[in-house]
Amino acid sequence: GQNIDQPTEMTATEGAIVQINCTYQTSGFNGLFWYQQHAGEAPTFLSYNVLDGLEEKGRFSSFLSRSKGYSYLLLKELQMKDSASYLCAVEDSNYQLIWGAGTKLIIKP
Amino acid sequence: IAGITQAPTSQILAAGRRMTLRCTQDMRHNAMYWYRQDLGLGLRLIHYSNTAGTTGKGEVPDGYSVSRANTDDFPLTLASAVPSQTSVYFCASSATANQPQHFGDGTRLSIL
Repeated sequence: GQNIDQPTEMTATEGAIVQINCTYQTSGFNGLFWYQQHAGEAPTFLSYNVLDGLEEKGRFSSFLSRSKGYSYLLLKELQMKDSASYLCAVEDSNYQLIWGAGTKLIIKP
Repeated sequence: IAGITQAPTSQILAAGRRMTLRCTQDMRHNAMYWYRQDLGLGLRLIHYSNTAGTTGKGEVPDGYSVSRANTDDFPLTLASAVPSQTSVYFCASSATANQPQHFGDGTRLSIL
């Protein structure tokens, strides 16, 4: 079967760093996406990893290890506006996205 | 402003009624998707279309149908609504199947 696992909820402090993990087991792999979704809003694209390693984009970085079926999203210098759900999605062999349930990130002052 | 427009924003519907959710994009994207999002679950793909004139079934297609007569429009129809179809429905599009997806604002549908 296909499975994407993420922690349900995490809490962090404003200005700190947080790492959100995602493990996956899917039928084929063509890439991994991270999306941000604020409550009551649509998901918005954050990052895309195809090859192993770290992709950095401003305060956000995403890491992929295909051999371990593992990815993480790293958020630095946390701001209150980063309070949102973070969705991990794997592109399977048919280029369809399999989505995790999302990690709700709560930022405290 | 380019993007995806969904209508209606929200709807309360009696069970057994027919309902069409509209989705229009002006980015000339080839691929379009319909998802439902339920509390505690990930987005689940209902139907997709990789290009105008073609459609495919996703993970949860039963009770839903789609059409893709042109590039811009991708309506989702519930032929006879049931309470288990109460959900938030998102339409998305991407330039091609392996590109980032852009989402509409969603339709909140309640079936009573």
